[in-house]
Amino acid sequence: SQQGEEDPQALSIQEGENATMNCSYKTSINNLQWYRQNSGRGLVHLILIRSNEREKHSGRLRVTLDTSKKSSSLLITASRAADTASYFCATASLIQGAQKLVFGQGTRLTINP
Amino acid sequence: NAGVMQNPRHLVRRRGQEARLRCSPMKGHSHVYWYRQLPEEGLKFMVYLQKENIIDESGMPKERFSAEFPKEGPSILRIQQVVRGDSAAYFCASSVWTDTQYFGPGTRLTVL
Repeated sequence: SQQGEEDPQALSIQEGENATMNCSYKTSINNLQWYRQNSGRGLVHLILIRSNEREKHSGRLRVTLDTSKKSSSLLITASRAADTASYFCATASLIQGAQKLVFGQGTRLTINP
Repeated sequence: NAGVMQNPRHLVRRRGQEARLRCSPMKGHSHVYWYRQLPEEGLKFMVYLQKENIIDESGMPKERFSAEFPKEGPSILRIQQVVRGDSAAYFCASSVWTDTQYFGPGTRLTVL
């Protein structure tokens, strides 16, 4: 199994509901990042949480990090149809002065209108 | 400030041909990363470069693949003698030191 595994693999909810996605990892990290990818497109950086932080907010996004359990969660509140995308967590470790990102398999989120 | 640019966006090659993918990092970014994404999977790290130097190529196959980031011009990922298994989306990202990596739109390589 690989670093940064998302759970669930797919999630389908109604517009307006909250969506929660989880990510587990195995090794120590410098930070953990969440990205969104619309079908056939590039990745959009959503939020970064450092290893000494426990919770972070950005608009409708809330990210938590539990380093003792090596897990993180991404909560999207009041979901919209435009939130339909794949969401990836990526763990970052420092390699020779730069971040090496290890991505999970992603969660495919579908928001039904 | 333009984002990370990649070209071509789509590339079709026959088995045995060479594929050359280009990445222009964001202005002021001297760190470039290449990732590969197979269908329905996450991105896999391939190589990390700074200007004129390969820093970490641990994710890149030893044969047929090479990468460079010259002093002038874009970073190039070259795949020689492509095989069907090379079909994937190849993403480039750039950053300033240990800051957030910004991704390009990707190049989708199809090997016939």
